[in-house]
Amino acid sequence: EAQVTQNPRYLITVTGKKLTVTCSQNMNHEYMSWYRQDPGLGLRQIYYSMNVEVTDKGDVPEGYKVSRKEKRNFPLILESPSPNQTSLYFCASSLSPLGQGVTYEQYFGPGTRLTVT
Amino acid sequence: KNEVEQSPQNLTAQEGEFITINCSYSVGISALHWLQQHPGGGIVSLFMLSSGKKKHGRLIATINIQEKHSSLHITASHPRDSAVYICASLNFGNEKLTFGTGTRLTIIP
Repeated sequence: EAQVTQNPRYLITVTGKKLTVTCSQNMNHEYMSWYRQDPGLGLRQIYYSMNVEVTDKGDVPEGYKVSRKEKRNFPLILESPSPNQTSLYFCASSLSPLGQGVTYEQYFGPGTRLTVT
Repeated sequence: KNEVEQSPQNLTAQEGEFITINCSYSVGISALHWLQQHPGGGIVSLFMLSSGKKKHGRLIATINIQEKHSSLHITASHPRDSAVYICASLNFGNEKLTFGTGTRLTIIP
């Protein structure tokens, strides 16, 4: 089954304790992206990747790191989480970069609800 | 900086009604993305369009590049259409998406 998986789905942690949220897709997609969703602010893009070893900042990259060492995985790293990073996080993938003429849909993961105390 | 606005924020309608959700943006874009977020939180892509109109089942999306405006229409609405509908603009020259805050649609049987 074609899908985007995220782990963990729920996480409660403390300020400053490094964490990684994993994202994996099994569709051989080139494009992957991370978003956070907050009440009243909606979805905001954190980082995106157009292919292996190619990543770029979205609108709210501060406090986050990403890597794309293999096509299927795109982990989101919080080196020193803070309470303002409490949010619902979504990973998504697409066959090709969204703006490359042929516009493919994005497939979203189920979300990771992170609470930083 | 591109700003994306949706209207209305909330919409309640009777089953069978024709629904229109609007999205406007402030700068030129390469494409407009419509998403649906289910009550359980899952997100599904509906459309990505850069001109004209696209149709999928009872859903129709249109975009007017000159007016910087897009609409999502639902014909013969059904309670299962109840969800939050989100539009997002794709910037020229990169893959950055800027999202609207969503329209919460409730269809009453």
